[in-house]
Formats: sequence, structure tokens, C-alpha cells
Amino acid sequence: AQSVAQPEDQVNVAEGNPLTVKCTYSVSGNPYLFWYVQYPNRGLQFLLKYITGDNLVKGSYGFEAEFNKSQTSFHLKKPSALVSDSALYFCAVRDPGDSWGKLQFGAGTQVVVTP
Amino acid sequence: DTGVSQDPRHKITKRGQNVTFRCDPISEHNRLYWYRQTLGQGPEFLTYFQNEAQLEKSRLLSDRFSAERPKGSFSTLEIQRTEQGDSAMYLCASRPLGQGYESGYNSPLHFGNGTRLTVT
Repeated sequence: AQSVAQPEDQVNVAEGNPLTVKCTYSVSGNPYLFWYVQYPNRGLQFLLKYITGDNLVKGSYGFEAEFNKSQTSFHLKKPSALVSDSALYFCAVRDPGDSWGKLQFGAGTQVVVTP
Repeated sequence: DTGVSQDPRHKITKRGQNVTFRCDPISEHNRLYWYRQTLGQGPEFLTYFQNEAQLEKSRLLSDRFSAERPKGSFSTLEIQRTEQGDSAMYLCASRPLGQGYESGYNSPLHFGNGTRLTVT
């Protein structure tokens, strides 16, 4: 069975500084990995995904993520954080053997960007 | 693209009552998912529809829960005899039918804003 771990409950960063949100995964075979963001009382919004190809994936709002197979990680990064990036971030994995495309989500990491 | 719509946004009910939630997916999306999110947790898969067919149900979906998608468009999720442990955000998501590596099951899920259920 697949799983995903987000080791940090919260990440605090000052505006303008680099932001990293960590994610590690466990899945048999090649993983399909996703990042979503959730603002208060809203649904999740897609940021980016890794399916195959280049290990560095660029997504929405200036975010990128690096797939590292040897470390089974898919950390989310942004070079310069904005106050508006404050939100709850979820890493998710899809088992390639899954029939219906359902995602397994991590517990989430709260990002707080201070002015 | 008007997005995935869920109704109601909030529902407060007393233990033992029945509740029903509605999800209207993006019109051309054949695939529809229900997830449940409790405080401090990520969304957990409940059930999946392809058109009107319910193809998978999680073990989380006890016999008090039932979901339908009668005409392959909107979907409903009903909880009978609600319990306090049912309090959560119920999220609906959809994605289009498609084939290939980048599309279909690997295309992004489009989530609604959820229905927050509070059972008192």
C-alpha cells in the first residue's frame, strides 16, 4: 500500500525567504506525486505533479518540486515566499497499480509566511 | 469551467439525524470522487464514480453511508443516523475522462469547497 509523510506540521518563513515543504513517499513501482494547497474553508487546489520525465517540476504560483527517487522525496519549494502563500499544503501519491486514480494524501503542512 | 459545486457549505445536525450532501462536478468530467477530511488530517478517499457507476468504496464508508450518481452528473452522499465521529469536511472532486500518462487518472483533481458537517 502507498503512503506519504509530511514530517513538519508547520513551517514558518519570513516573506522573501525561500520556502521548502517536505514530503516523502512509499509506493511499489514508480510513483505519481502531486502537491495541493488549501486555503481556509476551501477545497484543495492543484499546484503541480510529477508523473515521469524531468525530476524538477514547475507548477502554479512560482512553486516547484524536485523528485528524488533515491531519497523517496518530493519536496515543494518556492524561491521567495509571499504572505499570500500562507496556507495548508498537502502532498499526495497515486499508486500506479491503482485502478481508479485515487490519491493518498499526507496530513498536511501549515505554512505561515510573516511580513 | 464553473468549478465543482457543493451544497450546503455547512450543516449542523443532531446525533441520529440523516443528512444529505450534493456535489455538482465540472460538466464534462466523468470521474467523481468523495473524500472526507477531519481536523489536522489530509483528505481520505471515500468512494469513486465513473459516470453513474460506483466503482470503488472505501472501508471508511460504513453501511450508514450511501452515495449515488443517478444520471452520471451530480452526486449525493447521504449519512444515516449520524454520529459525532462523522463530523468532518466532506469534499467532492472530479476529473475528466482521458487516456495516457498525463491525462485521465493523472490529470489534476478539481475539488469543491466542501461541506462541513458538525454533529452535536
